[in-house]
Amino acid sequence: AQKVTQAQTEISVVEKEDVTLDCVYETRDTTYYLFWYKQPPSGELVFLIRRNSFDEQNEISGRYSWNFQKSTSSFNFTITASQVVDSAVYFCALLSSGNTGKLIFGQGTTLQVKP
Amino acid sequence: GAVVSQHPSRVICKSGTSVKIECRSLDFQATTMFWYRQFPKKSLMLMATSNEGSKATYEQGVEKDKFLINHASLTLSTLTVTSAHPEDSSFYICSARDPGRGPGGYTFGSGTRLTVV
Repeated sequence: AQKVTQAQTEISVVEKEDVTLDCVYETRDTTYYLFWYKQPPSGELVFLIRRNSFDEQNEISGRYSWNFQKSTSSFNFTITASQVVDSAVYFCALLSSGNTGKLIFGQGTTLQVKP
Repeated sequence: GAVVSQHPSRVICKSGTSVKIECRSLDFQATTMFWYRQFPKKSLMLMATSNEGSKATYEQGVEKDKFLINHASLTLSTLTVTSAHPEDSSFYICSARDPGRGPGGYTFGSGTRLTVV
């Protein structure tokens, strides 16, 4: 079975703090893809990153960074020096090769960044 | 980049009426589109996979006769909520898969907030 768990339901930080959003996944497939999406209050889903199972290199994009650890089945997302505009719901998602193209979403983490 | 247009963004309808939501891929051909439902402060629940030219594949527990999906062309999928009731009020989001962007080349629509009164 495929599953994505985001144990943190809500996180509240003060601007300029660093924050890490956790994501743990389950799959029996050897080939799979992991995603992070941002959903601001307006509702649309904004793609942040896609990572395939064969690439464990961590990635940094500006204030965003991702830590992929196959040993612990985790794909955590860190925002450095958070800003109010980072306030949103963040979803981690899994696409497995044997899953006919269906994205499996985690429960989402609501991040509130206070000024 | 790949763009998916979803319309309408908001709709209010009376109980018992039907509502159609459109999902269009504007600059690519999408053989597969997906329809999700999202309850307040909840995750996205996949309702069905829409395949161009064939019947949609519904997830367990989703009523096929209630949520009619039509994917008549490579750029358009529609979701019709039939005989809507207040419990159908929700946020509905579509996504389209762009084959040219490799695995996971999904683009999401901006969502439709349905309120049934």
